[in-house]
Amino acid sequence: GEDVEQSLFLSVREGDSSVINCTYTDSSSTYLYWYKQEPGAGLQLLTYIFSNMDMKQDQRLTVLLNKKDKHLSLRIADTQTGDSAIYFCAERTGGGADGLTFGKGTHLIIQP
Amino acid sequence: EPEVTQTPSHQVTQMGQEVILRCVPISNHLYFYWYRQILGQKVEFLVSFYNNEISEKSEIFDDQFSVERPDGSNFTLKIRSTKLEDSAMYFCASKRTAEQYFGPGTRLTVT
Repeated sequence: GEDVEQSLFLSVREGDSSVINCTYTDSSSTYLYWYKQEPGAGLQLLTYIFSNMDMKQDQRLTVLLNKKDKHLSLRIADTQTGDSAIYFCAERTGGGADGLTFGKGTHLIIQP
Repeated sequence: EPEVTQTPSHQVTQMGQEVILRCVPISNHLYFYWYRQILGQKVEFLVSFYNNEISEKSEIFDDQFSVERPDGSNFTLKIRSTKLEDSAMYFCASKRTAEQYFGPGTRLTVT
C-alpha cells in the first residue's frame, strides 16, 4: 500500500538552509506535494512537482525528486522565524486515484 | 486571492448526534475533497467528489458519512451518528487541475 515517511523534527539556525526529507513507497505516484501548517491553521500548499521532473525551484524553495529511490526533499534557503511550522509531504498516485496520502509532518524549529 | 472556507471553525456535539460540516470551495474548481486529521496523527483522505458524484473514497468513509453539493457553491460532509473517535480536524479541499487547496478546517469534538 501507499506510505509516506518523514522525520518528525528538524532544528536549524536562522539564516541557514533547511532540508526536509520524505520517502514514499508507491512507484505510481504522479504528483508530490509540500504543504505547510502553522499552529491552529489549515494546510497551505507550498509547491508540488510532477513525477517526470527531478527539480523545481520557486524563490527560496527548491524541491528535489529522486524517483529511483522514491525520495523527495524540500530545501528552504535563508530560513526565517516565519518558516517555523509543520511541513507535510504528500503524494498523489496514478490510476484515477485522486486523494492525497500524507506523511506525519516534520516540525521545523528555528533557533535564533 | 480566492480561498476555501469552512464553517463552523469548531463544532461540539454529543455522541450519536448528526453533524454537518460545511465548505465553500474555490469558485472555478471542479474537484472537491474531505480529509481528517486526528490530533497528533496524519492527515487522512476521506472522499473525493466530481461531477456531482463520489469519485473515490477511503476505508474510513463508511455508511455513517455522506457528502453533498446542495447548490453551486457549498460542499458538505454529514456524519449521521457521531462516535467519540470521530473527534478530529476536518479539512475540505478543492482543485481545478493539479493543486489541491485546503480550507482552515473544522475542529469536531464529540463528547
